[in-house]
Amino acid sequence: QVRLVESGGGVVQPGRSLRLSCAASGFLFSSYAVHWVRQAPGKGLEWVAAISYDGSNQYYAESVKGRFTISRDNSKNTLYLQVNSLRPEDTAVYYCARAVFGVSIDYWGQGTLVTVSS
Amino acid sequence: EIIMTQSPATLSVSPGERATLSCRASQSVSSNLAWYQQKPGQAPRLLIYGASTRASGIPDRISGSGSGTEFTLTISSLQSEDFAVYYCQQYNNWPQLTFGGGTKVEI
Repeated sequence: QVRLVESGGGVVQPGRSLRLSCAASGFLFSSYAVHWVRQAPGKGLEWVAAISYDGSNQYYAESVKGRFTISRDNSKNTLYLQVNSLRPEDTAVYYCARAVFGVSIDYWGQGTLVTVSS
Repeated sequence: EIIMTQSPATLSVSPGERATLSCRASQSVSSNLAWYQQKPGQAPRLLIYGASTRASGIPDRISGSGSGTEFTLTISSLQSEDFAVYYCQQYNNWPQLTFGGGTKVEI
């Protein structure tokens, strides 16, 4: 079955960096676009970034452009999100999600919590 | 940026009743709209895509309708497992996605 498992979250001070990872299994990872979506505590869902199936194209929300970098390693079936210059407002659960053109996101991971606090 | 607005923010209903949730887009998204259900402590689950197509395993008491800028999610007879938060999402600007603010369906 499709499985997405995020890791790398934690408590970090403002201005610092983290790298989030998402390990995929149960499907042909290299054939799918994948996204990062975040959810601040008690709030709604916010799209963060997306990457094409082969990694050649990346897309970002305005709120993270220039600070976050999405990447993937299809040989390792893994998605990454490098998050730099963290701000308190970046505190959220970060979900990785598989996407299908014409369907949108069809599978989600369970998320990893990033807390930005001094 | 396409803005998605959901109403109401909270819907109080009783088991067995019908629930109607609304989602409005700030500009046309054609039928490129999905609905997700999220329960506390869980990831969202895809319910509907293409505005009206049920995802695999979704019961037929859950249905979606609409196109352009106005969309509706209907749950015909609420079961206990349906009490959750529901989000609409446009993907007309693929791969840039926008979510609505959510509707909480509570008893």
